[in-house]
Amino acid sequence: KAGVTQTPRYLIKTRGQQVTLSCSPISGHRSVSWYQQTPGQGLQFLFEYFSETQRNKGNFPGRFSGRQFSNSRSEMNVSTLELGDSALYLCASSLTLDRVTGELFFGEGSRLTVL
Amino acid sequence: QQQVKQSPQSLIVQKGGISIINCAYENTAFDYFPWYQQFPGKGPALLIAIRPDVSEKKEGRFTISFNKSAKQFSLHIMDSQPGDSATYFCAASSYYGSSNTGKLIFGQGTTLQVKP
Repeated sequence: KAGVTQTPRYLIKTRGQQVTLSCSPISGHRSVSWYQQTPGQGLQFLFEYFSETQRNKGNFPGRFSGRQFSNSRSEMNVSTLELGDSALYLCASSLTLDRVTGELFFGEGSRLTVL
Repeated sequence: QQQVKQSPQSLIVQKGGISIINCAYENTAFDYFPWYQQFPGKGPALLIAIRPDVSEKKEGRFTISFNKSAKQFSLHIMDSQPGDSATYFCAASSYYGSSNTGKLIFGQGTTLQVKP
C-alpha cells in the first residue's frame, strides 16, 4: 500500500512569508504527527493529531500550527518565516496514538529553505 | 527530564565488525524505546524497539540491550555491512504518562559508516 505522502518535497521561501505543508497518511491511519529535523537540533516533535483533534504540541512558537481533516490528511502552517525555520519537516502516520501498538511510518519530508 | 542523550555522534566500522550506539534517558515514565534508521533523502524507518520489561531484543543482526536501573539502552549491529551506512536515532515514548499521546523524544542521531 502507498506510504505517507508529503507535498511539496522542496520549497524556498523568504523571511516573513508563510508556508503550508501537506501530508497524506497511509490509508486507514488516523494518527498524524509532525517533526522538524535540523542538523543542530535533530528530530523535534511539533504536534500530533488523532481524529481531527490535536492531542499534543511540542515546544514551538505559535507561528507553527496544524490541522487534520476528516479524511486524516493533515497540514501544517508556519507563518512569518524566520531563517531558523529552514529544516526538513517530517510527517508520520500510525494506526493508533500508542507507539507500542501503532508503529510510526514517516514520509520523506518537505525540505524548507528560508532565505 | 525529557531528553534522550545519544552517543557517539559518528561511527566508522569495518565491514563485518560490530557497531554499538548508546542512549541514556532521565524520565522513568518512558515505556517504549525504538531505534530508527534513516538513509539520505528518506524519512526515518523503525528498525527495532524494546519495552522495559525485557533486557534484550534481537532481530536478525540488530540487538537492543536495555538496562532499566542505569536508564540506558544500546543498539548493536553485528556483522556490519556497507548497506547499514545510515543515520541511527534512538527514541523514547511514554503513552500512559503523557495524556494519551505517542510523542517520541529522539536522540541526536549517530551517523554510521561501514567501510568495505
